[in-house]
Amino acid sequence: DGGITQSPKYLFRKEGQNVTLSCEQNLNHDAMYWYRQDPGQGLRLIYYSQIVNDFQKGDIAEGYSVSREKKESFPLTVTSAQKNPTAFYLCASSIGRGSRTPLHFGNGTRLTVT
Amino acid sequence: AQSVTQPDIHITVSEGASLELRCNYSYGATPYLFWYVQSPGQGLQLLLKYFSGDTLVQGIKGFEAEFKRSQSSFNLRKPSVHWSDAAEYFCAVGAGAGKSTFGDGTTLTVKP
Repeated sequence: DGGITQSPKYLFRKEGQNVTLSCEQNLNHDAMYWYRQDPGQGLRLIYYSQIVNDFQKGDIAEGYSVSREKKESFPLTVTSAQKNPTAFYLCASSIGRGSRTPLHFGNGTRLTVT
Repeated sequence: AQSVTQPDIHITVSEGASLELRCNYSYGATPYLFWYVQSPGQGLQLLLKYFSGDTLVQGIKGFEAEFKRSQSSFNLRKPSVHWSDAAEYFCAVGAGAGKSTFGDGTTLTVKP
């Protein structure tokens, strides 16, 4: 079955440490996205990539970094510069790059930083 | 800039009753609109989408939504709610470059 795999499901880190969240898709989608979800809030876009070796900042990119070396993979690094990193992180992909294309989501990674 | 408002944070309905979740959007051009559902601790799943044409769109799990341009609304409906429909529902408008802007979500509780 095609889909998006995010790992791990739960992640715990100490403050001051960088942490990388994995996102892999086998849908052959061009575009991939990272969203952050906090309780009672909608999804906020962190970074997105429409093609390999290219990515753009979303609305809340500060303290995060990404890479897109392969079409299937779009890892997100939460750096120590991110002031409030504890959240639920969702990776998504879409078959196209336009506004009409719906998003396919992974099951998320819940990051807790103490 | 585009925005999406879901006025109801939490809605409770009895099983078998009808459901309507409200969504209002702000977007300068023709909107591409989506409804997604999220079960606890899971990702989002697409319920339905509107691009153009018929303003009443059908989705999965018996859901439908009606686009009303004059009211800038895209409300989600279901005639008879099942206990398994309890979840969080998000309305979204498609922005450029495949990005989407999401509302803050509505949590649906279903009473037996």
